Amino acid sequence: KAGVTQTPRYLIKTRGQQVTLSCSPISGHRSVSWYQQTPGQGLQFLFEYFSETQRNKGNFPGRFSGRQFSNSRSEMNVSTLELGDSALYLCASSSYPDLPPGLAGGAHTQYFGPGTRLTVL
Amino acid sequence: EDQVTQSPEALRLQEGESSSLNCSYTVSGLRGLFWYRQDPGKGPEFLFTLYSAGEEKEKERLKATLTKKESFLHITAPKPEDSATYLCAVQARTGANNLFFGTGTRLTVIP
Repeated sequence: KAGVTQTPRYLIKTRGQQVTLSCSPISGHRSVSWYQQTPGQGLQFLFEYFSETQRNKGNFPGRFSGRQFSNSRSEMNVSTLELGDSALYLCASSSYPDLPPGLAGGAHTQYFGPGTRLTVL
Repeated sequence: EDQVTQSPEALRLQEGESSSLNCSYTVSGLRGLFWYRQDPGKGPEFLFTLYSAGEEKEKERLKATLTKKESFLHITAPKPEDSATYLCAVQARTGANNLFFGTGTRLTVIP
């Protein structure tokens, strides 16, 4: 089974521009989550999409947005780029088990892609 | 508030020298605890999911254990190719699917 793919792998942008990153999940996975990784803050959750709906959002400004398509592919967009947005952006996909989240065994293992390295100048 | 603390921040081992990495966590009801390995410039690679206290999982030279407050990743007779950053993450029983990560342990295995 092919893993999670992300495009592009590298991006260089200037302050004020906007950027769109793309993620294709593992075949059959319907949940896609996005994370930002920086040396200072580590891995931080951005948002999660399931069946084209945003289910959960992290503590990031509204400049960060995303969407999911009917084939489960997802994109995230960052508008009005700032220097501090330079980071590795990671996409992760998971399949939902049939168990309710409160039961043991209901954890949703996430599988990560290689990431997109964004540099803002 | 969910919190994950990993120690040590960095660890240097001689090839064959076994050791353990620690992950202490505070979460409002644990749905799962995850271990990942990350090589420089790459995405995290999934290693283990642990669901409840007392559970253990093994894969080659790695063994992960879980208690109600912490998890250990034991590395037996490590090789240079085990050098990487090891990340611990928790998922809470809040209905949300997101992972809350620790800052990782950077492991270097010297030949």
